[in-house]
Amino acid sequence: DAKTTQPPSMDCAEGRAANLPCNHSTISGNEYVYWYRQIHSQGPQYIIHGLKNNETNEMASLIITEDRKSSTLILPHATLRDTAVYYCIVRVSQNTNAGKSTFGDGTTLTVKP
Amino acid sequence: DGGITQSPKYLFRKEGQNVTLSCEQNLNHDAMYWYRQDPGQGLRLIYYSQIVNDFQKGDIAEGYSVSREKKESFPLTVTSAQKNPTAFYLCASSLGWGGGELFFGEGSRLTVL
Repeated sequence: DAKTTQPPSMDCAEGRAANLPCNHSTISGNEYVYWYRQIHSQGPQYIIHGLKNNETNEMASLIITEDRKSSTLILPHATLRDTAVYYCIVRVSQNTNAGKSTFGDGTTLTVKP
Repeated sequence: DGGITQSPKYLFRKEGQNVTLSCEQNLNHDAMYWYRQDPGQGLRLIYYSQIVNDFQKGDIAEGYSVSREKKESFPLTVTSAQKNPTAFYLCASSLGWGGGELFFGEGSRLTVL
């Protein structure tokens, strides 16, 4: 699986949009970009995933560049409860032999009042 | 509700003792995984299982052992050979091997005294 690179930390004002970048320059054609977040001492929670088109759900939006080498997770109206570590990973979405997903250190997002 | 249950949530052990962490899922997933997380760091893969009665070493398997006798269960044993076992352990599953969304348990925190 391709590796990802994320900034170690970011701050965001409450109510503003939080834009979290991720680089995945070695992504393969069949690999999706997945985003998870982890609140302290809990299991990671799935947020969103995409292949090449932009995606939106009730939690967030995912913007993937045309060359697929980077992406941005957007939390449109950040709240204090969005303070967490956010992980970007790449992962296939079908059975293959490439089962190991590498988690980097993620981005610690701190939402401030 | 479907999900992954890890137990115990907190565990203390003395040096030289083996300890087994439980992971049970009722999602009917074929693939299961164990990750280790140290403070301020991302997740590292210990072992994974594609299907019942099969498992493979991940990136940091030394000092750990697993079994997969039932589809819904994937226990992890931390043996006395593990040099630095104090960590947060996360179990995950996915519908198929290699791909798709990872579902995580709430984690087990092991402290060696």
